Amino acid sequence: DVKVTQSSRYLVKRTGEKVFLECVQDMDHENMFWYRQDPGLGLRLIYFSYDVKMKEKGDIPEGYSVSREKKERFSLILESASTNQTSMYLCASSEQLGTNEKLFFGSGTQLSVL
Amino acid sequence: SQQGEEDPQALSIQEGENATMNCSYKTSINNLQWYRQNSGRGLVHLILIRSNEREKHSGRLRVTLDTSKKSSSLLITASRAADTASYFCATDAGYSGAGSYQLTFGKGTKLSVIP
Repeated sequence: DVKVTQSSRYLVKRTGEKVFLECVQDMDHENMFWYRQDPGLGLRLIYFSYDVKMKEKGDIPEGYSVSREKKERFSLILESASTNQTSMYLCASSEQLGTNEKLFFGSGTQLSVL
Repeated sequence: SQQGEEDPQALSIQEGENATMNCSYKTSINNLQWYRQNSGRGLVHLILIRSNEREKHSGRLRVTLDTSKKSSSLLITASRAADTASYFCATDAGYSGAGSYQLTFGKGTKLSVIP
């Protein structure tokens, strides 16, 4: 089975801190994604990557950056955390994003910024 | 660029009953997918239906797609308490550059199955 592992289940950070959220997949998938999920807003795409060192902005990239140095690892970086970035962060991967590909999700990281 | 919208937002039924959730979307799609999320966890893929398909089954799940109405429905038959979860539809929002299609999720239907 595909496994997408997010490094932390819960994370509490202070405003202004630099935050790293790590995601690793073990199925040699080409594509990786970062979503955030907020009540009433559903899932919103922050960034995605279709290859090593390649990245594309999603719907809400402001305040975030990403890094993909190795195929299996996709990191989300909050350069200076703010309280409005308190959210559930979900990482996902897919083999090759065409028209008929499904996403495999990690268990999520609940981030609280105080 | 929210694409799919689920209806109802919340649904509460008795165990053994059928649950029906609907999804409407705005633009043409290549496929539509349904996902399930248990409370506080990641999403799990349930079923994918292509734009040229009208109905698809998987176990107790039945999905229909009406491209003329830009809508889909997910039916869970003979529901169980373990089906309690949020259900999301997701559509590919078209080509987004660099050879990829962006998948966009709705806000979900929260299903409660009462034992």
